Amino acid sequence: KQEVTQIPAALSVPEGENLVLNCSFTDSAIYNLQWFRQDPGKGLTSLLLIQSSQREQTSGRLNASLDKSSGRSTLYIAASQPGDSATYLCAVVAGGTSYGKLTFGQGTILTVHP
Amino acid sequence: EPEVTQTPSHQVTQMGQEVILRCVPISNHLYFYWYRQILGQKVEFLVSFYNNEISEKSEIFDDQFSVERPDGSNFTLKIRSTKLEDSAMYFCASVPNTEAFFGQGTRLTVV
Repeated sequence: KQEVTQIPAALSVPEGENLVLNCSFTDSAIYNLQWFRQDPGKGLTSLLLIQSSQREQTSGRLNASLDKSSGRSTLYIAASQPGDSATYLCAVVAGGTSYGKLTFGQGTILTVHP
Repeated sequence: EPEVTQTPSHQVTQMGQEVILRCVPISNHLYFYWYRQILGQKVEFLVSFYNNEISEKSEIFDDQFSVERPDGSNFTLKIRSTKLEDSAMYFCASVPNTEAFFGQGTRLTVV
């Protein structure tokens, strides 16, 4: 059974800092990996999707990497801003008969203070 | 930009009542999913739906739950005889081929 773990559980940084969020998964037979942002009481906003054949994906100040063989992904946020404060969720995407099914980590709660 | 729409945004129901949560996925997407998130816990998979039938369901998705796509556009989750522990955020997601798009969720409170 796939298990996804995110470290750290919470992170508080001053504005402008670069930071790294970590995600690990137990079964490397994944189809894709997706990072989401969740604001309190809100839905899930997709940030980045990394296909299993890719090593990294970039969008603006965000960069996500994937090392499938070691079961790890990182989300790098450059020049953090107070508006980045949210919970960041990592989810691995299954293939095969479970196509598209996401297994989530518990999230990293990020606080960026001015 | 197309989006997944869920209604209602918040529903309060009495224990034992039936609720129907509604979702309008992005048109031309083929795969549909329901997830739930109990307060303070991980987002959990409930059920996947493809080609008008359930393709996979989790251990949580017992006889109390059912899904339908009644009219080719809406996608519903029915919870019969709600229990206090059904209180959670319920998310609908649709997938065109690789990336999952989520709705804003329905917060279900069972009292």
